[in-house]
Amino acid sequence: GDSVTQMEGPVTLSEEAFLTINCTYTATGYPSLFWYVQYPGEGLQLLLKATKADDKGSNKGFEATYRKETTSFHLEKGSVQVSDSAVYFCALSDRSNTGKLIFGQGTTLQVKP
Amino acid sequence: NAGVTQTPKFRVLKTGQSMTLLCAQDMNHEYMYWYRQDPGMGLRLIHYSVGEGTTAKGEVPDGYNVSRLKKQNFLLGLESAAPSQTSVYFCASRRAGETHTEAFFGQGTRLTVV
Repeated sequence: GDSVTQMEGPVTLSEEAFLTINCTYTATGYPSLFWYVQYPGEGLQLLLKATKADDKGSNKGFEATYRKETTSFHLEKGSVQVSDSAVYFCALSDRSNTGKLIFGQGTTLQVKP
Repeated sequence: NAGVTQTPKFRVLKTGQSMTLLCAQDMNHEYMYWYRQDPGMGLRLIHYSVGEGTTAKGEVPDGYNVSRLKKQNFLLGLESAAPSQTSVYFCASRRAGETHTEAFFGQGTRLTVV
């Protein structure tokens, strides 16, 4: 079945450091890909998405590119802030008529001043 | 805008007790989902619904039941709670028809079974 694998966390960075969180997927067909973020004590919210190969999703300084050849959707940010501390989830949506999202295990990011 | 609202936000149950978690959305979404979040395991799908009156099993349905009598509400029931059901539960909703649409999540219910 479809699956998503994320790099193990937690990730601890200093403010203004470069961030990469790796995400790879296994799916039949061509899924839509997402990054969701969960701030402490809150539910998940969409950070960015990409719907086809070579699409780049971007939001709040974060970027991720849909790479079909490597089945990857790595999240990057050039300069992280303390306020970016959260749990980040990579997810895919299959092409069935159920709209189900399949999530990776989540990566905790802690940014220190 | 309310979005997706879950009640209750916290609950402690004794083993064997029952309870119902309520999810309500005001966006007229067709699709609704219940997930559980456990450390190191991400979010796993318990049950889902693609429309009023329809439900289906997800990845980890055992020990749970659901109902979708009204389009805006999706109820998750635990008939006889077990310590293994200690988790954070999230409800989500999504518009039908497009696989790239955003899913909206509630703030979660933290359930502890002792």
